[in-house]
Amino acid sequence: EAGVAQSPRYKIIEKRQSVAFWCNPISGHATLYWYQQILGQGPKLLIQFQNNGVVDDSQLPKDRFSAERLKGVDSTLKIQPAKLEDSAVYLCASSSWTGKTEAFFGQGTRLTVV
Amino acid sequence: KQEVTQIPAALSVPEGENLVLNCSFTDSAIYNLQWFRQDPGKGLTSLLLIQSSQREQTSGRLNASLDKSSGRSTLYIAASQPGDSATYLCAVRPDFGNQAGTALIFGKGTTLSVSS
Repeated sequence: EAGVAQSPRYKIIEKRQSVAFWCNPISGHATLYWYQQILGQGPKLLIQFQNNGVVDDSQLPKDRFSAERLKGVDSTLKIQPAKLEDSAVYLCASSSWTGKTEAFFGQGTRLTVV
Repeated sequence: KQEVTQIPAALSVPEGENLVLNCSFTDSAIYNLQWFRQDPGKGLTSLLLIQSSQREQTSGRLNASLDKSSGRSTLYIAASQPGDSATYLCAVRPDFGNQAGTALIFGKGTTLSVSS
C-alpha cells in the first residue's frame, strides 16, 4: 500500500515570496490534515479536510495561508507572502473517517524562509 | 482545551536497557491515542494506536498502555538498541461525540539516544 506522498521535500525562499506544497493521501482515506512542525515542537494542526470540505481551519493564518482539496483526493497548501517565522516542516497526514482512524504521515516538506 | 505533555524531554541510555516514556493529557475525553517515531529530517512513523476502550497495545519490543481516567499513557521499549534513537511523539484524538471528526493533538516529544 502506497503511503502519503508529499512534494517538494525541501524549499528555500525569500521572505514575501510565495510557495506551494502538494500532498497525495493514502487511497481511500477521506480525512486529510496539514500540520506545521517548528523545530523542537510537536506538530500543530493547520487545517483538516473531510473529503473536499473543511472540518477545522481554526489555527490556519488565513491572511497568508490557504489550502484546498479538489475532488477529495490531492491537496495543496499555499503561503503568500511568506514570513521568516513560517520556517518549519509542513506535514501532510491522512486517515480513514471511521473505525481505527489511524493517522499516517508523509515525509514532510522542510521550508526555510530567508 | 486539550494539552499533551511528554516527560522527559530527552533521555540517554546504554544499549540493552528497558525504558519508559511518559505522556499525559488534560482531558480524558479521547477517541484514541497514537505513538509515533520521528527520525531527524523525516516524517512521522506510526508505532502504536490505542483505542479509548483499550488498556494496552503491543508491537514487537514496544508496549503502550493507556489509563484514560488518569490522563496517562506510557510507551515501554524493551532491550533498547542504537537503532531506537529518535524522537517519540504522543498524540491524542479528542472525542467530541462525532466519532472521529477531530485531529490529533501532539506533545513536544521525547528525544531518545541509545548508545552502543
